[in-house]
Amino acid sequence: DAKTTQPPSMDCAEGRAANLPCNHSTISGNEYVYWYRQIHSQGPQYIIHGLKNNETNEMASLIITEDRKSSTLILPHATLRDTAVYYCIVRVHSNSGYALNFGKGTSLLVTP
Amino acid sequence: GAGVSQSPSNKVTEKGKDVELRCDPISGHTALYWYRQRLGQGLEFLIYFQGNSAPDKSGLPSDRFSAERTGESVSTLTIQRTQQEDSAVYLCASSLSVGLFYEQYFGPGTRLTVT
Repeated sequence: DAKTTQPPSMDCAEGRAANLPCNHSTISGNEYVYWYRQIHSQGPQYIIHGLKNNETNEMASLIITEDRKSSTLILPHATLRDTAVYYCIVRVHSNSGYALNFGKGTSLLVTP
Repeated sequence: GAGVSQSPSNKVTEKGKDVELRCDPISGHTALYWYRQRLGQGLEFLIYFQGNSAPDKSGLPSDRFSAERTGESVSTLTIQRTQQEDSAVYLCASSLSVGLFYEQYFGPGTRLTVT
């Protein structure tokens, strides 16, 4: 699986958009970009995933660059409850199961 | 509906003792995963089960670690002769099936402290 690089921490004011970057310069053509987050003392929670097109759901938007070497997770109106560690991973689609191996992610602090 | 549950929520044990951690997946989920998360670190895959297939044990760190699952229900992770480096939060996740597009739902974890 391709390696990802994320900033260790970021701050965001409540109500503003939080833009979390992720570099995955060695991503291969059949690898998807996934985002999870982990609120303190809870298990990780799936947010969104994509291959090459931008994706949006009720939680966030995912913007993937045309060369697919980086992506940005956007929380359009951050709230205090979005304070969490955000993990970006890339993974090939497999029918034999997949293991999530997260790095340290980005610790996002949303401030009042 | 009910999510993934794990027990105990906290476990303190002495070095050298065996511990058993339990996971109850979401009903109907055929895939079950165990992970370990050391303090301030990311997630480390341990093992996964899918239906009646042989489990993928590729992430187990040593032969002191083992896991069982009864059908498509409860799973137990056993750590024998615990060491201090085993201290971590052990997370269980289940998904409807295997494959990249099946979201994994995580339990709250069991915090294991080996003294």
